[in-house]
Amino acid sequence: VIWMTQSPSFLSASAGDRIIISCRMSQGISSYLAWYQQKPGRAPKLLIYSTSALQTGVPSRFSGSGSGTNFTLTINYLQSEDFATYYCQQYYSFPWTFGQGTKVEIK
Amino acid sequence: DVQLVQSGAEVKKSGESLKISCKGSGYSFSSYWIAWVRQMPGKGLEWMGVIHPGDSDTRYSPSFQGQVNISADNSINTAYLQWSGLKTSDTAMYFCARRGVDGYSWSGFFDSWGQGTLVAVSS
Repeated sequence: VIWMTQSPSFLSASAGDRIIISCRMSQGISSYLAWYQQKPGRAPKLLIYSTSALQTGVPSRFSGSGSGTNFTLTINYLQSEDFATYYCQQYYSFPWTFGQGTKVEIK
Repeated sequence: DVQLVQSGAEVKKSGESLKISCKGSGYSFSSYWIAWVRQMPGKGLEWMGVIHPGDSDTRYSPSFQGQVNISADNSINTAYLQWSGLKTSDTAMYFCARRGVDGYSWSGFFDSWGQGTLVAVSS
């Protein structure tokens, strides 16, 4: 099983800020990492796959980077609709696993 | 448009059986793996398992192997998640999700999700 450490668990930010969320793996996963956004009472939404590929329709202020064991999600110019919980997910090997989540709150 | 529509909320007693469903539309259902993901109240996402509707090839997370059964019926474009004896700890929201495709590369991310089925189990 690949263990994932996502940080921080909570992040307080203001509209217009740039935020970075980190995801660290217990072993290398090449580039097989995705990021999701989830709002309360809603299903998760795919933002990024293959570490840095932006899903169709996702604003360009979202970006992903990394390789091997360390990955990041960056959101530039945080908008009001970006306040949500974010999850990373590895799909390098079964069982596929999710990070613990990062809740982005309004400062 | 790709759509996954899940069955409605369920309220059950401990020990009862349950089968919830996920119906796909707007794409070739038999060609895309369908996964199930659990979210316990106030908690994160947990991958339970995945099935290929075309040949019923199924993979389970060790945490859920033997606890649930994942199946699919191609003829009606529907995937299922089933329990034979519910526990109160099964109380959660359950999502189905379609495994996306990344050209010819390996993939395992989820590009479309159902709306979720809330399962509440009491003692």
